[in-house]
Amino acid sequence: QVRLKESGGGVVQPGGSLRLTCDASGVTLSSFAMHWVRQTPQKGLEWVAFISFDGKNKYYGGSVRGRFVVSRDDSTNAIFLEMRGLRGDDTALYFCAKDRDTGSFHPWTPYDVWGQGTMVTVSS
Amino acid sequence: DIQMTQSPSSLSASVGDRVTVDCRASETISNYLSWYKQEPGKAPQLLISRASALETGVPARFSGSGSGMEFTLTITSLQPEDIATYYCQQTYRIPPTFGHGTRVEVK
Repeated sequence: QVRLKESGGGVVQPGGSLRLTCDASGVTLSSFAMHWVRQTPQKGLEWVAFISFDGKNKYYGGSVRGRFVVSRDDSTNAIFLEMRGLRGDDTALYFCAKDRDTGSFHPWTPYDVWGQGTMVTVSS
Repeated sequence: DIQMTQSPSSLSASVGDRVTVDCRASETISNYLSWYKQEPGKAPQLLISRASALETGVPARFSGSGSGMEFTLTITSLQPEDIATYYCQQTYRIPPTFGHGTRVEVK
């Protein structure tokens, strides 16, 4: 069974940093592009970042571009989201999600497996 | 960014009813439209991709239609386990964007 599990969330002060990790089991992530998506009651689901199956293509949502960096380590079957300059509007439940299709270098395919999410709270 | 507008924002229907959820894109997205179901406290689950392709394991009472800018999710016979919020998402243009969701309740 394919499972994704996020970790690394917590409470951080404005301007602070966090690193989220998404660990996979039951699947070899190296064949799949991956995404980070966040959710708040106010704004709903918001796509945050994409990393292609080979790590060569990365895309970001406008509100996080320049502050967040997505990466992957296929040797540990994990992806990461490095978040810097955190702001109050970054407060959300952060999901990692797996592309349904193999070999994507563009975020045009849907996501067939999601983790349960890790909560990030930005507050002083 | 492409705006995705869902309607209604919520609905209440009886078991066995036919339910439809609409999703409109602010510009044409061909058929790069997916539907997700999210139950309370759970992650979203992919139901339909490319506007009308049912994912493996999804009950046949779910269907999707549309292309261009107008799309519809239909549940032909609502079941109690269908209580959830349903989201559309376009992946035609970066950034992928979601609708704000339609909450489906059973009377």
